[in-house]
Amino acid sequence: QSLLTQTPSASGTPGQRVAISCSGSSSNIGGNYVYWYQQVPGTAPKLLIYRNNQRPSGVPDRFSGSKSGTSASLVISGLRSEDEAHYYCATWGDSLSGHVVFGGGTKVTVL
Amino acid sequence: ELQLVESGGDFVKPGGSLRLSCEASGFTFSIAWMSWVRQAPGKGLEWVGRIKRNVDGGTTDYATPVKGRFTISRDDSQNTLYLQINSLKPEDTAVYYCTTEGYGGDYYSGMDVWGQGTTVTVS
Repeated sequence: QSLLTQTPSASGTPGQRVAISCSGSSSNIGGNYVYWYQQVPGTAPKLLIYRNNQRPSGVPDRFSGSKSGTSASLVISGLRSEDEAHYYCATWGDSLSGHVVFGGGTKVTVL
Repeated sequence: ELQLVESGGDFVKPGGSLRLSCEASGFTFSIAWMSWVRQAPGKGLEWVGRIKRNVDGGTTDYATPVKGRFTISRDDSQNTLYLQINSLKPEDTAVYYCTTEGYGGDYYSGMDVWGQGTTVTVS
């Protein structure tokens, strides 16, 4: 059981807005940056968001991240078929150990 | 091109050992923190451990389930990361990915480069 809780699934039609949540605690999300990774089935994960809300070069601006207290969110605006994938949030388990913890993942389906 | 290429995955019996390798290219390997992440069949991502760059002490951190059995090391002269796995258990069956934690030297940049993964099956 992960320290970070994600809703197992989410869905939307092309063009819709989809929000994915990641819930943690004061010792993980509350005190550390949040990251989001996208994994298309059969491929390696890809960094989508770093430092809560920053997008790496090449990541479309329809992906946005935010953090508030002990929770974080990833929003996909203008859903596209190629966005169908698993999405994982991650953070450090606690600032001292630096251990990384992943959420259980959210499967996004494009209807 | 930024690239990580893992190798060494195999089918092994419980109690056996294995060494995985990850060869890096396209960036300055020596300034990157490096991690291993695994994914059991049909499951989510699980962080295994990391090794910091030498200027930060070159120290290692491990997830609790693997501490004492897994050893991460690096050879900056060969741009290569290693994962030594001992006393293998069936629950170690997974795809093992190597990844950077900030290939540009900023370890808050996230796991920004990933390999294609290498499969370990323990049975």
